[in-house]
Amino acid sequence: GAVVSQHPSRVICKSGTSVKIECRSLDFQATTMFWYRQFPKQSLMLMATSNEGSKATYEQGVEKDKFLINHASLTLSTLTVTSAHPEDSSFYICSVVRGIVTDTQYFGPGTRLTVL
Amino acid sequence: DAKTTQPPSMDCAEGRAANLPCNHSTISGNEYVYWYRQIHSQGPQYIIHGLKNNETNEMASLIITEDRKSSTLILPHATLRDTAVYYCIVRVVSTTSGTYKYIFGTGTRLKVLA
Repeated sequence: GAVVSQHPSRVICKSGTSVKIECRSLDFQATTMFWYRQFPKQSLMLMATSNEGSKATYEQGVEKDKFLINHASLTLSTLTVTSAHPEDSSFYICSVVRGIVTDTQYFGPGTRLTVL
Repeated sequence: DAKTTQPPSMDCAEGRAANLPCNHSTISGNEYVYWYRQIHSQGPQYIIHGLKNNETNEMASLIITEDRKSSTLILPHATLRDTAVYYCIVRVVSTTSGTYKYIFGTGTRLKVLA
């Protein structure tokens, strides 16, 4: 399988600050990456699709100005939570897609964000 | 909306086979079924995927019905470390843009009992 890293693994910040989360595909070039959010005891919720070299596609109800996604290279996508509030506290997970026909997703280890 | 439905929870005795069902009645003819599992506070782990033939790898077997409307993930000899939430996913393709995405359902929380 593919190796996907996320940084940081855990972050605590004050309300009103911005936090950047990095997602890296370590062993292949990914034209598409996905960002998910997961609240305690709930399933993963797709936030956006990150496409290299173009604007991200956001799911309905996800504020694009609050969750800034940049996919500047084939191995790196970043998610910036701007002006974070306690309700943004969550587990953020990215995935990369490998292959064309089967499009198997491989997930990063996740980033736990806590906003005080 | 998720395109799959799964029972919310299941128990399985250690050493026995765990059979996890999934309904995907609206799956289209060329879409694959993917299975992942998530252990607490980790990213989901890929298990297996299939189109219409049964598949087997070192982790599990996947049985897909002939009409492709449902499938079963089989863990042949469950261990305590297999306790996790198991997700069955199909890909959703936008008819307007042609782009695709994966929507997670609620999954099945499997508990392997000693």
